[in-house]
Amino acid sequence: DVKVTQSSRYLVKRTGEKVFLECVQDMDHENMFWYRQDPGLGLRLIYFSYDVKMKEKGDIPEGYSVSREKKERFSLILESASTNQTSMYLCASSFPPRWDKTDTQYFGPGTRLTVL
Amino acid sequence: AQTVTQSQPEMSVQEAETVTLSCTYDTSESNYYLFWYKQPPSRQMILVIRQEAYKQQNATENRFSVNFQKAAKSFSLKISDSQLGDTAMYFCAFMKHGSGTYKYIFGTGTRLKVLA
Repeated sequence: DVKVTQSSRYLVKRTGEKVFLECVQDMDHENMFWYRQDPGLGLRLIYFSYDVKMKEKGDIPEGYSVSREKKERFSLILESASTNQTSMYLCASSFPPRWDKTDTQYFGPGTRLTVL
Repeated sequence: AQTVTQSQPEMSVQEAETVTLSCTYDTSESNYYLFWYKQPPSRQMILVIRQEAYKQQNATENRFSVNFQKAAKSFSLKISDSQLGDTAMYFCAFMKHGSGTYKYIFGTGTRLKVLA
């Protein structure tokens, strides 16, 4: 069974704090993704990584950075948390599409972050 | 830019009945992938069904099937013999890949409630 885990289910932080959200997958997936989920907006891609130390901006990267030092771990960093970053954050991982591997994304349970 | 539209924010269906969730998308690409994901209340998002755009045959997975109309850019999900466990938020997603980059676009979701 593929497992994608996230470091916290619920997190409460203060405005201006530096926040780290961690994601770990155990399926040797090359791709890892960070999304935020807001009611009425669906999922929006913040960043993704297709290999160690490689990253690309998604649709809403402002205010976020990421780190991927090991294949299994992908961290999302809020340098200075703001109230508009209160949201559900979902991590996902997948293989890239190729003939012998499905490219299905596997999601973590999510971290509900509240910034006060 | 690609967009994915789910025009039904909420739907309900009686247990054992059939329900269809609609999804339309906009793209100029010819090769891409389409997905339906399910997010049960307080549980992880999981893949329901996947369709490759170059395949004319509609994908099916047990009680779940799609009606893929490439020319109309429509990708609806049909759930037959609805069960209480089908109660969830359903997201339609589009994916295009190339040269190491991945573009996943999600719709805003349809909340489905199966009634006993």
